[in-house]
Amino acid sequence: SQTIHQWPATLVQPVGSPLSLECTVEGTSNPNLYWYRQAAGRGLQLLFYSVGIGQISSEVPQNLSASRPQDRQFILSSKKLLLSDSGFYLCAWSVSGLEQYFGPGTRLTVT
Amino acid sequence: AQRVTQPEKLLSVFKGAPVELKCNYSYSGSPELFWYVQYSRQRLQLLLRHISRESIKGFTADLNKGETSFHLKKPFAQEEDSAMYYCALSGSGGNEKLTFGTGTRLTIIP
Repeated sequence: SQTIHQWPATLVQPVGSPLSLECTVEGTSNPNLYWYRQAAGRGLQLLFYSVGIGQISSEVPQNLSASRPQDRQFILSSKKLLLSDSGFYLCAWSVSGLEQYFGPGTRLTVT
Repeated sequence: AQRVTQPEKLLSVFKGAPVELKCNYSYSGSPELFWYVQYSRQRLQLLLRHISRESIKGFTADLNKGETSFHLKKPFAQEEDSAMYYCALSGSGGNEKLTFGTGTRLTIIP
């Protein structure tokens, strides 16, 4: 069966420090991959999505970037974190059909 | 542009009473509509989608193109229905990107 992992589960980082959040999917090939940010009162905001290795589409201009070095690996990064980057980050995957499957999320606090 | 509006951030309903979570959308084409749910300490997961036209856990949702709505309904609320509910929209033509509403936290009062 397919599973999706995210790590770390929680992270506290100072302003100006770099960020790397990782998401991996098991049990499926060539999935579409997504990064969302979930903020209180703002729902889920799509940040990036990828339909294949090295193919990244950005949905909103921001301080973050994404990469897909392998078929089932999706990384969310930043060179210098801002206070406004705090939030709950969700990774999701889908294959052909329209249902998306979500990971457990990473709680990021920028201090 | 795609937009999903959930006007209620919080909704409290007594057990056994009917539930209706409102969702309105804006999209120029033919959308695919979904309801996702997040129970306490669980992952966000799909509850139902309009193309399936099925009832899940007693919930149904009908797409009303005239009113651009996709309200989620259940005739008799149960305590285990307490959760965060998100309405989401995907554009037609193979576009699988989802646009989510801001969510409604449903609390069932025993």
